[in-house]
Amino acid sequence: NAGVTQTPKFQVLKTGQSMTLQCAQDMNHNSMYWYRQDPGMGLRLIYYSASEGTTDKGEVPNGYNVSRLNKREFSLRLESAAPSQTSVYFCASRYEGAHQPQHFGDGTRLSIL
Amino acid sequence: AQSVAQPEDQVNVAEGNPLTVKCTYSVSGNPYLFWYVQYPNRGLQFLLKYITGDNLVKGSYGFEAEFNKSQTSFHLKKPSALVSDSALYFCAAPGYGAGSYQLTFGKGTKLSVIP
Repeated sequence: NAGVTQTPKFQVLKTGQSMTLQCAQDMNHNSMYWYRQDPGMGLRLIYYSASEGTTDKGEVPNGYNVSRLNKREFSLRLESAAPSQTSVYFCASRYEGAHQPQHFGDGTRLSIL
Repeated sequence: AQSVAQPEDQVNVAEGNPLTVKCTYSVSGNPYLFWYVQYPNRGLQFLLKYITGDNLVKGSYGFEAEFNKSQTSFHLKKPSALVSDSALYFCAAPGYGAGSYQLTFGKGTKLSVIP
């Protein structure tokens, strides 16, 4: 039981390049999430998918797109990377219900030069 | 709007001493509240949650948290700190209705347990 798996773990991009971050969960969770973590700012929600077939914007969606490929997989795409998108990106998933905890992957560390 | 605040960026405690990591909240109605821990180069791990009922909630690794409605606080506690407890701790709360899918996190508190 792997939980939430993110690939790649590390990536360095040049400004303007594109990149897709992959996330898969094997817990049969309905909801999936993408966050970014920056020093001193906690975690900020980029996009989420409440269920298969739906996606919604979070707090900081600009510059990103997402795809809920199926129940297991939720990808995050940077179409034209900018240095301000240098961050650690976390994917999470959750069962239905606000009282349920989210389960996190170990993150993708992304540097944009 | 839901919000949680962690007033301390860093907490230092000697090994064996009790520890407290503070969290205050501002949410509508009866809150759901969570604590997560993050070790270096890892994702967040769920520690415990408050839904309703007993104000003292017990969680993983010997941690517990006290919900105080009058003070709108949900402080994380442990009777005897271990060096291995050194990590980053986050308090979080979901929104309501359509916002219930979203978790709002505090900015985190770095706990250092000194041998």
